[in-house]
Amino acid sequence: DQQVKQNSPSLSVQEGRISILNCDYTNSMFDYFLWYKKYPAEGPTFLISISSIKDKNEDGRFTVFLNKSAKHLSLHIVPSQPGDSAVYFCAAVSYTGTASKLTFGTGTRLQVTL
Amino acid sequence: DAGITQSPRHKVTETGTPVTLRCHQTENHRYMYWYRQDPGHGLRLIHYSYGVKDTDKGEVSDGYSVSRSKTEDFLLTLESATSSQTSVYFCAISEPIPGQEYGYTFGSGTRLTVV
Repeated sequence: DQQVKQNSPSLSVQEGRISILNCDYTNSMFDYFLWYKKYPAEGPTFLISISSIKDKNEDGRFTVFLNKSAKHLSLHIVPSQPGDSAVYFCAAVSYTGTASKLTFGTGTRLQVTL
Repeated sequence: DAGITQSPRHKVTETGTPVTLRCHQTENHRYMYWYRQDPGHGLRLIHYSYGVKDTDKGEVSDGYSVSRSKTEDFLLTLESATSSQTSVYFCAISEPIPGQEYGYTFGSGTRLTVV
């Protein structure tokens, strides 16, 4: 059962344009969401996060929007740059009783073209 | 550099042999995790630790065991490797601070191939 879904395996965007990456979740107990960026042969690196009590968080070119009623979040990158080409993972935080843990989506490969 | 290293970075092993992957941190973080990444699945939690000698199972723990005898090291063992355990393994560390953002830091990964 995939509790966090990224339905677009890949996305191609022209440099300077907006990139929009989407993520859907099914578990209403998730209370924090994170986006990670991953380059080949490297570990995921933290990009931006949002608490479930907010609907928007912005950090430079990156903005994450959360729609709790739709159980949907999106990552906007404006303007997109070639260095943004990577795989992006959406992740949700939940609690096991002894620790927090991340549940990841399947990832979206973003390619920013010149 | 967040102070988390995984070893080895690459390993090829034969079916049925035991394999141990090591995660070492210098951050003194309480929580440590092992994930595996496979195409079409993203990253999935194998086991995690919430303190020395305190570990618990994640969603894909069958065929794996872990040990944490000291804060800085978290070992993942495949008792008898199978081809389905061919994957990229990531270790993560975390030390949440109340009122602040969650901080999970990942290692660079170990690519394991079981032939």
